Amino acid sequence: KQEVTQIPAALSVPEGENLVLNCSFTDSAIYNLQWFRQDPGKGLTSLLLIQSSQREQTSGRLNASLDKSSGRSTLYIAASQPGDSATYLCAVSGTASKLTFGTGTRLQVTL
Amino acid sequence: EPEVTQTPSHQVTQMGQEVILRCVPISNHLYFYWYRQILGQKVEFLVSFYNNEISEKSEIFDDQFSVERPDGSNFTLKIRSTKLEDSAMYFCASREGLAKNIQYFGAGTRLSVL
Repeated sequence: KQEVTQIPAALSVPEGENLVLNCSFTDSAIYNLQWFRQDPGKGLTSLLLIQSSQREQTSGRLNASLDKSSGRSTLYIAASQPGDSATYLCAVSGTASKLTFGTGTRLQVTL
Repeated sequence: EPEVTQTPSHQVTQMGQEVILRCVPISNHLYFYWYRQILGQKVEFLVSFYNNEISEKSEIFDDQFSVERPDGSNFTLKIRSTKLEDSAMYFCASREGLAKNIQYFGAGTRLSVL
């Protein structure tokens, strides 16, 4: 059974700092990995999707990497802003397409 | 930009009552999903739906749950007799097709069972 873990559970950084969020998964036979953002009481916003054959994806200040063989992904956020404060979720998909979610990292960017 | 729409945003019901949560997926999408998130816990998969039938369901999705696509636009989740532990945020998601893997999520329906 796939298990997804995210470290750290919570992170507080000053504005402007670069940061890395970590995601690990137990079964490397994934089809893709998706990073989401969740604001309190809100839905999930897709940030990046990495196919299993890819090593990384970039969107603006966000860069996600994938090391499938070791079961790890990182989300790098450059020059963090207070508006980046949210919970970041990592989710993996097997061939059946359902997503298995991690526990999330709650990010607070302070002024 | 097209989006997944869920109604209502908040549903309060008495234990034992039936509820129907509604979703309008993105119009050209073919794969549909329901997930739930109990407060403070992970987002959990409930069911996936393709070509007018369930393609996969989790252990949570027991006989009390059902899904339906009653017309070309709506996708519903019915809970036949709600329990206190059904209180959660329920998310609908849709995906375009096999080559397009991104799942797009709605804003969710908060279900409170009293």
